[in-house]
Amino acid sequence: GQQVMQIPQYQHVQEGEDFTTYCNSSTTLSNIQWYKQRPGGHPVFLIQLVKSGEVKKQKRLTFQFGEAKKNSSLHITATQTTDVGTYFCAGPRNNNDMRFGAGTRLTVKP
Amino acid sequence: GAVVSQHPSWVICKSGTSVKIECRSLDFQATTMFWYRQFPKQSLMLMATSNEGSKATYEQGVEKDKFLINHASLTLSTLTVTSAHPEDSSFYICSAPSGGSASSKAFFGQGTRLTVV
Repeated sequence: GQQVMQIPQYQHVQEGEDFTTYCNSSTTLSNIQWYKQRPGGHPVFLIQLVKSGEVKKQKRLTFQFGEAKKNSSLHITATQTTDVGTYFCAGPRNNNDMRFGAGTRLTVKP
Repeated sequence: GAVVSQHPSWVICKSGTSVKIECRSLDFQATTMFWYRQFPKQSLMLMATSNEGSKATYEQGVEKDKFLINHASLTLSTLTVTSAHPEDSSFYICSAPSGGSASSKAFFGQGTRLTVV
């Protein structure tokens, strides 16, 4: 079945350093979504990418959708302590539900 | 924006008892809602898809008689953990897609932390 793989599982950075998490699907995705879950909280929608090769920015966050619509990345420039949390990608499975990646847990040392 | 409310946010129950968790879409209708289970520092594991007016669809390995799902209206889905045991202790979280498609942007409830003693 369709799987969404996400790496790395953990990332610890010094404040100010950049951070990237990668998401790969075994099948072509109609869209990919990114969520952020703060420690003790619930996932919050960040963005949805639909077009092949699409790039979207939200302040220091840059989201990319691969040309083949099988991979995606989230890049954070100059991390801050407020960026701490787990970032999940999610892709639709047969339009019935969303498959979540394992998540990348980001910690930021001040 | 769309809001999904989940209640209770935490519950402690004795082994053998049942616990009901509610998930409400406050300002939109949701014919489909999803129930996830999340262990500490792990990803969201889809348990079942709740369908308004019909039976829920359970993922492989999830006992439907243990995790009863009812989607009685377009704004409410409930998950009942029956005869709870300590191994059922976990973070349960629901979500509802904001659009007509199950793959549209999802709004999550606040989650319910269940502890079975």
